[in-house]
Amino acid sequence: GAVVSQHPSWVICKSGTSVKIECRSLDFQATTMFWYRQFPKQSLMLMATSNEGSKATYEQGVEKDKFLINHASLTLSTLTVTSAHPEDSSFYICSAFGLAAFFGQGTRLTVV
Amino acid sequence: GENVEQHPSTLSVQEGDSAVIKCTYSDSASNYFPWYKQELGKRPQLIIDIRSNVGEKKDQRIAVTLNKTAKHFSLHITETQPEDSAVYFCAASKTPGNQFYFGTGTSLTVIP
Repeated sequence: GAVVSQHPSWVICKSGTSVKIECRSLDFQATTMFWYRQFPKQSLMLMATSNEGSKATYEQGVEKDKFLINHASLTLSTLTVTSAHPEDSSFYICSAFGLAAFFGQGTRLTVV
Repeated sequence: GENVEQHPSTLSVQEGDSAVIKCTYSDSASNYFPWYKQELGKRPQLIIDIRSNVGEKKDQRIAVTLNKTAKHFSLHITETQPEDSAVYFCAASKTPGNQFYFGTGTSLTVIP
C-alpha cells in the first residue's frame, strides 16, 4: 500500500533555532500534502495544505511565517518551524492521499 | 469551515461487547468520512471509510453508518478485543483527496 515517510521522528532543539521536518510519499505522487499538529491526548489539528509548485494554504490562526512549508516536488513536502519556542513543542504529522489518506509516522518536537 | 464533533471522549467496554462512537459534521458538502485508529505515539491508521453515496459499510467486526440528512456517522465495533484499545478519530472531507477535519477523538479501553 501507499507509504508516507516522515523524518525525523524525534527532535530536540534549542529555543530560537529552526527545525525542518520532511514528509515523503514513497510509492505515489502527491500534488497535495497536509500538515497536522497534535497535542497530548488531543485531536489532530490541520495546520496547512501543501501544494506542489505553489504556496501553501494555511488554516486560520496558523502563522505562515513561523511554519514555513515547501512542496518542491511531487513526493516531498517540508515543514520548517522557525525560531522555535517551547510552546511549539508538539507532535507534527503529515499526510498525503494515495488510494486513501496515509499518514507519516509523525515528528515529536521538543523545544528546550 | 467544517466542524466535526465526536462522542464519547472516553469509552470502556468489556471484552466481547460492542462499542459505538458517534460523530456529527456541519458542512453538508462533506462527502467522505474516514475513521482512524491511533495508538500512543504512532501514526493514525485508516480502519474504515464511507462515502456519501453509501449508508453503511462493514468490514469484519467494524462497521460505519452514515446519515447524510442528519449529518452524522457512527463507528461500530463488535466482539471487542483488548487490542482494539486505542484512540479513534472520525474525520470529514469534501472529497477524498482534500484536507480532513478531525473529531476530538475517543479513547477506547477494552477490559479483558
